[in-house]
Amino acid sequence: SQKIEQNSEALNIQEGKTDTLTCNYTNYSPAYLEWYRQDPGRGPVFLLLIRENEKEKRKERLKVTFDTTLKQSLFHITASQPADSATYLCALDGSSNTGKLIFGQGTTLQVKP
Amino acid sequence: IAGITQAPTSQILAAGRRMTLRCTQDMRHNAMYWYRQDLGLGLRLIHYSNTAGTTGKGEVPDGYSVSRANTDDFPLTLASAVPSQTSVYFCASSSGSSYNEQFFGPGTRLTVL
Repeated sequence: SQKIEQNSEALNIQEGKTDTLTCNYTNYSPAYLEWYRQDPGRGPVFLLLIRENEKEKRKERLKVTFDTTLKQSLFHITASQPADSATYLCALDGSSNTGKLIFGQGTTLQVKP
Repeated sequence: IAGITQAPTSQILAAGRRMTLRCTQDMRHNAMYWYRQDLGLGLRLIHYSNTAGTTGKGEVPDGYSVSRANTDDFPLTLASAVPSQTSVYFCASSSGSSYNEQFFGPGTRLTVL
């Protein structure tokens, strides 16, 4: 069956540290994968998109990798800040580049000062 | 510029009643989407529209209908609400159907009793 999975447990890290969030998928062949941030009571906000032929994408303190062999994307936040505390969602192109995204459940990150 | 708006913000509805959730975007985006978000299940696509005049079914379309009479509006209708439709509903839009970020509205919290 098709699945997309993220760490279900909340992650707690200290301010200034780097953390890595994992997104694994099975039985999909996505043309691209996206990461979103969601704060409580709000809609998701787009962060990064990485295509299947890209190994890595960076934006400020964020870095995303995409390994189509391992069927995995990793999301890194460096020099984390309390303002980075949120739920992070990965989403993959679920159907031949049609824009129909399949979302993971999200991983909640708490950065403590 | 408002971006994407949803109404109402929240609603309590008796089972069996008809309800329309409204979604409007002012970005002239071609594609629009409706998701529901439930604890532990993440965001799931209900219906989508790649352009005005066309709609398609997502992962969980049963019990819901949509229309796309123009570019800006994409209402979601529950013809006869049931308690399992209690959820937070998010509308989203994107400029095209592929390799594009999605912009999300603030959500509608719906409770069906």
